[in-house]
Amino acid sequence: GAVVSQHPSWVICKSGTSVKIECRSLDFQATTMFWYRQFPKQSLMLMATSNEGSKATYEQGVEKDKFLINHASLTLSTLTVTSAHPEDSSFYICSARDLGRENTEAFFGQGTRLTVV
Amino acid sequence: GQNIDQPTEMTATEGAIVQINCTYQTSGFNGLFWYQQHAGEAPTFLSYNVLDGLEEKGRFSSFLSRSKGYSYLLLKELQMKDSASYLCAALDSNYQLIWGAGTKLIIKP
Repeated sequence: GAVVSQHPSWVICKSGTSVKIECRSLDFQATTMFWYRQFPKQSLMLMATSNEGSKATYEQGVEKDKFLINHASLTLSTLTVTSAHPEDSSFYICSARDLGRENTEAFFGQGTRLTVV
Repeated sequence: GQNIDQPTEMTATEGAIVQINCTYQTSGFNGLFWYQQHAGEAPTFLSYNVLDGLEEKGRFSSFLSRSKGYSYLLLKELQMKDSASYLCAALDSNYQLIWGAGTKLIIKP
């Protein structure tokens, strides 16, 4: 199946700093990528839908200025957590679907575990 | 509104069979996915159904009834490594995935 690479796998940062997470589709073009957050023992929560070349669409309750999303190419989307705080500590996962082939599975990155201290 | 319902937790015995149910209500429907997720890892794809009926893939099978808005994942010959969360997700008319909260499956020896 297709591969989505997410980097870094884990990061620890100080409160108030910013962290950038990259999501790359390695062998297909992803015009749309999805960013999820998952707290312990909870399901995936969609944060935003990232569209190549345009502004991301954020879900209700997700702060646009805090979670900056850039989707500059068909294979790369980035999520930047700005001025991170301990409550932002979570597991962040990106996914992409090959929209050239509808009804296909969603391919997930490995996830990034963010710990803000 | 759009909604996916699945049990929060299930327990089964090694070697047995377990069925995890999922009901969905979505704006349009373009198929249903099942994913497996081990703690601390990203979900991995198990199955996709868009037509009514049963799809078998090794020890795992998935069933769909579009008229009832219902699906189930059947796991046979359970192994300890099958302990994980199982996520049901429906694809709506906009091709957006609507996720269930997941079913935590606990396998006991």
